[in-house]
Order: sequence, then structure tokens, then C-alpha cells
Amino acid sequence: DQQVKQNSPSLSVQEGRISILNCDYTNSMFDYFLWYKKYPAEGPTFLISISSIKDKNEDGRFTVFLNKSAKHLSLHIVPSQPGDSAVYFCAAYNTDKLIFGTGTRLQVFP
Amino acid sequence: NAGVTQTPKFQVLKTGQSMTLQCAQDMNHEYMSWYRQDPGMGLRLIHYSVGAGITDQGEVPNGYNVSRSTTEDFPLRLLSAAPSQTSVYFCASSYSHRPANYGYTFGSGTRLTVV
Repeated sequence: DQQVKQNSPSLSVQEGRISILNCDYTNSMFDYFLWYKKYPAEGPTFLISISSIKDKNEDGRFTVFLNKSAKHLSLHIVPSQPGDSAVYFCAAYNTDKLIFGTGTRLQVFP
Repeated sequence: NAGVTQTPKFQVLKTGQSMTLQCAQDMNHEYMSWYRQDPGMGLRLIHYSVGAGITDQGEVPNGYNVSRSTTEDFPLRLLSAAPSQTSVYFCASSYSHRPANYGYTFGSGTRLTVV
């Protein structure tokens, strides 16, 4: 039973455009949501997080939106850059456990 | 450099062998955890620890053992390796078990192959 789902395994976006990565979850008890970025042969690196009591959090080019009624969150990257090409994982936290989704591979092309 | 150090980076084991994956952090983080990454499965939590002397199971704990005798170290033991344990293993740490605004810091991983 997968509690955190990323239904799009891959996404291709032109440089300068917006990238939107989506994530759905099933457990309404999650109280933090995070996005991580991962390059090949490296560990995941933290990008941005949002508390369950908020619906939006921004950090530079990255914005995370949370829709609790739909149990859905999304990561917007504007503008997208070639260096953003990586695998993006969403993760949700509750009671000492951080649960990850399956990841979305983002490719930003010129 | 401060961070999470995992050793070894690569390992090949024969079925039935045992080994220990090492994880050390020098940031005085209380919380540490182990994940495995498999194609199409994302990262799955194996075991975690909220402080020295305290460990608990994650999503996929079977076949793995952990202990936390010091704040700095959190080794993961494979008792009798099986091909299904072929994976990339990541260790993570954090000041607090609640990731809040800074998340967990991950090591660079150990790629394990069981033949």
C-alpha cells in the first residue's frame, strides 16, 4: 500500500518554461511534505518543504502547493533550467517516518 | 567536511554472506535512518533511530538489523544476504526527527549487489 504516489515517471520541459511535478498521498495524518532532487550516483538533496497547515511555500524558482482536501501537492519550477534535470522525489512525514514517492525524472531541454 | 559518510561505496556479496554498511555523521544529529532505492520503487525506509540507544522499524525492515550505540554512527547489518537485497542504500540524518524546514541530509549511497 503506497502512501505517497508520483504517477508520472518522467517529464520533459523546454528551458525557460514551467515544470510542474505532482504527488498524491493517502494518509491525512502527514504533517510535513518535502521535495528532494537527486542526481545519478549522488544522495537526494533537500529542495523545499511545506507544513500541513499551509497551502503554499516559495523559495526562489521553486514553489510547493498543498491541497489537503485533494491530498495532493505539486512542485513548480519557474523558469526551468538545464541544471534542473534530475529525479524529483516527494516525501511525507508523520511520527518519526519520512515516506517517499517513486520519483519523477525531469528533463529540461534547450 | 561535515556531512553523512557511507562506506563502502560499492560491495558485491554472495548469497548467505553477512556484512555491515557503515554510516557516520559529524553534525551531532539525533535522528538517523536507512533507505533503500530500487527501480520504480522510490526510496523505502528500512530502520530509523531518534537517538542513541533507540531504534525502530520502517517500511521494509526484514533481513536487516541496526543498532545505535553512539550519536555519530548508525550501522546497517545484513544477516544473510539475498539477491532481493540488491539495491542502493542511503543513510540520512537530521537534527530533529521532524524534517520541518531543512529536511534530512543524505549520504552518497552504497551500491550493493548480491549474487
